[in-house]
Amino acid sequence: GIQVEQSPPDLILQEGANSTLRCNFSDSVNNLQWFHQNPWGQLINLFYIPSGTKQNGRLSATTVATERYSLLYISSSQTTDSGVYFCAPPGETSGSRLTFGEGTQLTVNP
Amino acid sequence: KAGVTQTPRYLIKTRGQQVTLSCSPISGHRSVSWYQQTPGQGLQFLFEYFSETQRNKGNFPGRFSGRQFSNSRSEMNVSTLELGDSALYLCASSLAQPEGTQYFGPGTRLLVL
Repeated sequence: GIQVEQSPPDLILQEGANSTLRCNFSDSVNNLQWFHQNPWGQLINLFYIPSGTKQNGRLSATTVATERYSLLYISSSQTTDSGVYFCAPPGETSGSRLTFGEGTQLTVNP
Repeated sequence: KAGVTQTPRYLIKTRGQQVTLSCSPISGHRSVSWYQQTPGQGLQFLFEYFSETQRNKGNFPGRFSGRQFSNSRSEMNVSTLELGDSALYLCASSLAQPEGTQYFGPGTRLLVL
C-alpha cells in the first residue's frame, strides 16, 4: 500500500512564528486530506486538496501530485494550533481508506 | 448540521469481554469508516460501510466486526477483548465516495484491563 512520510516529526514554535509541514507519499494519489488532531483526540478537517493550493485564514496547503508531496503552511501561529497534524491520502484500493502518516507534533509556546 | 457523534466516549472493559461502539454520521452521509489509533501503530483503517454493505476492510482479526443500519448509523463490535485493543476508535463519515471528504467524530477511548 501507499507509504506516507511526514516531516518534521516534532516542531516547537513561539507564538507568531510561521511553519511548513511536509507530507511525502509513495504513489500517485487523486485526493489528500490534512487534519489537526486536538488534545482531546478529535481529528479536525483542514483541507481536502488533491492538487493545487488552498487557503483558509492563517493556514494554506499545496499538493503537487506529480511529485508526490503536499505542504501545510501555518502563519502567525497561535497556542491553539498546538496538536498533531496528519496528512492522509487514500489507500491503494479506494479513496475511502485513508492512509495516515505518523504526523507532526506541533507545540506553540506563548 | 450536527457533526459525527460517537457513543460512548469512554469505556473500560476487562480482557475477554466484548464491546460495541456506535457512530452516527452527519445527516445525509452514507459512508461510514472506522479507524483505530494506538501509540504504537498510529491511525489504522478498520473498515468502511456504504449503504449497509461493507465495502472495504483493513488488516484486523475477525474479532473486529461492524455493521451499518438503514439510517446510516454504524456500530463496530470487538469480541474477546485483548489488552492491545486499548485504543482510541474513530469514526468518519462522508457524503460521496470514493473521493469525498471524510469528517471524523470525537472518538471512543477504550481501555482494556
